[in-house]
Order: sequence, then structure tokens, then C-alpha cells
Amino acid sequence: GAVVSQHPSWVICKSGTSVKIECRSLDFQATTMFWYRQFPKQSLMLMATSNEGSKATYEQGVEKDKFLINHASLTLSTLTVTSAHPEDSSFYICSARDLARYNEQFFGPGTRLTVL
Amino acid sequence: AQSVAQPEDQVNVAEGNPLTVKCTYSVSGNPYLFWYVQYPNRGLQFLLKYITGDNLVKGSYGFEAEFNKSQTSFHLKKPSALVSDSALYFCAVRDYSNSGYALNFGKGTSLLVTP
Repeated sequence: GAVVSQHPSWVICKSGTSVKIECRSLDFQATTMFWYRQFPKQSLMLMATSNEGSKATYEQGVEKDKFLINHASLTLSTLTVTSAHPEDSSFYICSARDLARYNEQFFGPGTRLTVL
Repeated sequence: AQSVAQPEDQVNVAEGNPLTVKCTYSVSGNPYLFWYVQYPNRGLQFLLKYITGDNLVKGSYGFEAEFNKSQTSFHLKKPSALVSDSALYFCAVRDYSNSGYALNFGKGTSLLVTP
């Protein structure tokens, strides 16, 4: 139980295009999901908290218009990197919080984004 | 804000030897502490957590961690390391922000177990 999936697992895109990454909780409902960004050999940096049915809460320094988050259902949150540039290349990881398991977070496998 | 620190960028240990990956915390109130492991190009896998109760917490894959309040530490340990334990290890603490509970991670420690 408590499986979180991400799609795609990797994506390569041209500069200026937009990329959508999906995060799904497969066997539980998640009212809250989190999006992290990880640079090579560095820690995870929380980008935003995604709440089902409401606007996401972004961390300081994260551009809302650049990283669009939608949490339309209890099992799906999406992160759209708009007008991607090479500096957006990174490993993006989502996690979902399971209320039934004492708010424990379960992590997805990550999405490797490379912007050419 | 609650935070954790991992003082070592890398830990090297020979297979079969005990291993320790260090973590110290800075919190107000009682800490909720976690250890995760990450293999290359993969997401994080949960190892163990401390919320309350026994100071020695046992987790997955033979790992354990000891909560030490006087030293504000939560070091990860394993009695006998395996080559397959080589990975990136993150200590984390639960923090409360405007959006609710989230995890603050340490910078990570790379563990290398040599045959």
C-alpha cells in the first residue's frame, strides 16, 4: 500500500515549451501533495504544497506562474513547468500525505526534466 | 522553523562493518524525525521514523536510529553494512508551515560500502 507514481519518469524538451508532470496516489486519497526539486547531489527543496480543491501554497522564491500546480482530485496533482529553460532542468519529486497513516508522506519515484 | 543537519557529505565503510550516518536536529517542542534513502535517479524510500516512545527505532532493511534528546541527535545505524546499502541518505524533520505539515530535509549523506 501507499504507492505514489509519477509520470513521466523522464522528459526532454526544447527551451520555451511547457511540460506537465503528474503525481498520483494509487491506493489512498491524498488531500495534500508536495512538490520538491532536487539538484544533483543536493537535498530536496520544497517548492509548493498542493491542496485538493484549492490553490497551491508556494515556498519563497518559487515562481507561481512558472510552476503551475493543479490538484483537481484526491489522487492526482500536476506540476506544469511553463516556458521551460535549461535552468529548469532538474529532478522533480512529489509526495502525498496519507491521513489514514498519521499524515506520513509517501514519495514518488521522481521525474528527470532536461531542457535543451 | 524545524531543521536537521547532516555534518558528513560522505561516509565510507567496508562491507560487514557497522555504519553510522549522523543527523542532528534543531526544533522547538517534540521532534518528528525521519530517515529516507535514495538510490540513483529514484525517489525517496522511507526507512524509519521517531515520533515518541523508545529512543531506539528499528526500520527497514536492518537499519535503526537512536533518538538522543540531550545531544539533539538522531543517528542512523546498521550493525553490518552491505554493498547494496550504498546510496544517498536523508534525515528529515516535520515542520509546520502556512500550508500544513511538510518535511525539511538535511543535505544528504552519501554512503559508500566497499567490498
